[in-house]
Amino acid sequence: ELKVEQNPLFLSMQEGKNYTIYCNYSTTSDRLYWYRQDPGKSLESLFVLLSNGAVKQEGRLMASLDTKARLSTLHITAAVHDLSATYFCAGGPTPLVFGKGTRLSVIA
Amino acid sequence: DADVTQTPRNRITKTGKRIMLECSQTKGHDRMYWYRQDPGLGLRLIYYSFDVKDINKGEISDGYSVSRQAQAKFSLSLESAIPNQTALYFCATSDWRATEAFFGQGTRLTVV
Repeated sequence: ELKVEQNPLFLSMQEGKNYTIYCNYSTTSDRLYWYRQDPGKSLESLFVLLSNGAVKQEGRLMASLDTKARLSTLHITAAVHDLSATYFCAGGPTPLVFGKGTRLSVIA
Repeated sequence: DADVTQTPRNRITKTGKRIMLECSQTKGHDRMYWYRQDPGLGLRLIYYSFDVKDINKGEISDGYSVSRQAQAKFSLSLESAIPNQTALYFCATSDWRATEAFFGQGTRLTVV
């Protein structure tokens, strides 16, 4: 049974700083998903990582996947306030199994 | 129009009442899912369906039932609502390759 753990669960960052969110999973998962959720809103797909060594970048966010270590990371570069949200990783393929989420707050 | 539509968006109901949450999708996907979100717990899987004749229990199916009326429709029922079923409920769909899962806007359910 796939289990997904994220850390940290809460993250307060200063604007302009870099940080990484970690996502560990327990068994073989051939893909890893990252989602963003704003308060009271639905989930917005950020990245789907399909193979070992996959790296994807969009703006200030970069996600990577190491299937041997069963680890995915979401790296935030030079944080800005607009990145404040909750970020979820999920293992697949289906049904997706979610981590508990990382609530990110970017402060000036 | 949204790819995945949930109705109602908000609902307050009394303990013991039966309530149905509906989900319809226009993606043409075979696979549909119901998740529940509680603060600090992430999204937990209630039920999922890989096609019209396939229904599977998820992690937290007790107290819930589902119906897959058609490829595009997947309903979640609470037979006798209780306060700890107060949560945000999401429906989602994907194709068999699951290169992406599409989520509805959510239904906020309050049981009083």
